[in-house]
Amino acid sequence: AQSVAQPEDQVNVAEGNPLTVKCTYSVSGNPYLFWYVQYPNRGLQFLLKYITGDNLVKGSYGFEAEFNKSQTSFHLKKPSALVSDSALYFCAVRDTRGPGGSQGNLIFGKGTKLSVKP
Amino acid sequence: ETGVTQTPRHLVMGMTNKKSLKCEQHLGHNAMYWYKQSAKKPLELMFVYNFKEQTENNSVPSRFSPECPNSSHLFLHLHTLQPEDSALYLCASSQRAGLAGGESTDTQYFGPGTRLTVL
Repeated sequence: AQSVAQPEDQVNVAEGNPLTVKCTYSVSGNPYLFWYVQYPNRGLQFLLKYITGDNLVKGSYGFEAEFNKSQTSFHLKKPSALVSDSALYFCAVRDTRGPGGSQGNLIFGKGTKLSVKP
Repeated sequence: ETGVTQTPRHLVMGMTNKKSLKCEQHLGHNAMYWYKQSAKKPLELMFVYNFKEQTENNSVPSRFSPECPNSSHLFLHLHTLQPEDSALYLCASSQRAGLAGGESTDTQYFGPGTRLTVL
């Protein structure tokens, strides 16, 4: 079955420390992987994606993610967290079932709440 | 904020009311989506429109009725809702590969959502 898992409901980090938000996936074929961020009462904002190429993907606001095929993971990272990074983070994978139908839809994880304290 | 707008931003309605949510995308995309986001539940995909044709209906109750008159506009018509339908309703759009092929990023861009409360 195609799925995305975010094993942590919440991650707490001190400002200035590195942060990691974990994501693992299960999909047939080559994965297209995405990270989104959601601030309170707002829609999801696209952060970055992996389609092919370099395993380290750089995105918005200083975030990056590392694709690891052997571990089927796509963890989100940032070297130095800011209080303003506090939000809900979603990992997603492109549904590869097809042709047609659900192919192209995104399968989202349940989200991880990131809390950065001063 | 992202090229996808939604109106209204907030809506309070009774169980017997009829209302509509509107979504408009200014990104030139050919696919649009409705999602439901409830507290402490995963994001739920409701409907998908691909080239104005509905390609997905994830067992959504008939009290939710989507309409996609063109590739830029998407509506969600609501009638006789239940209190458990209270949630944040999100619209998104993306560029899908055309019938003749072509590049598809499948990156979805979301609107700010409509916070719906059913009394």
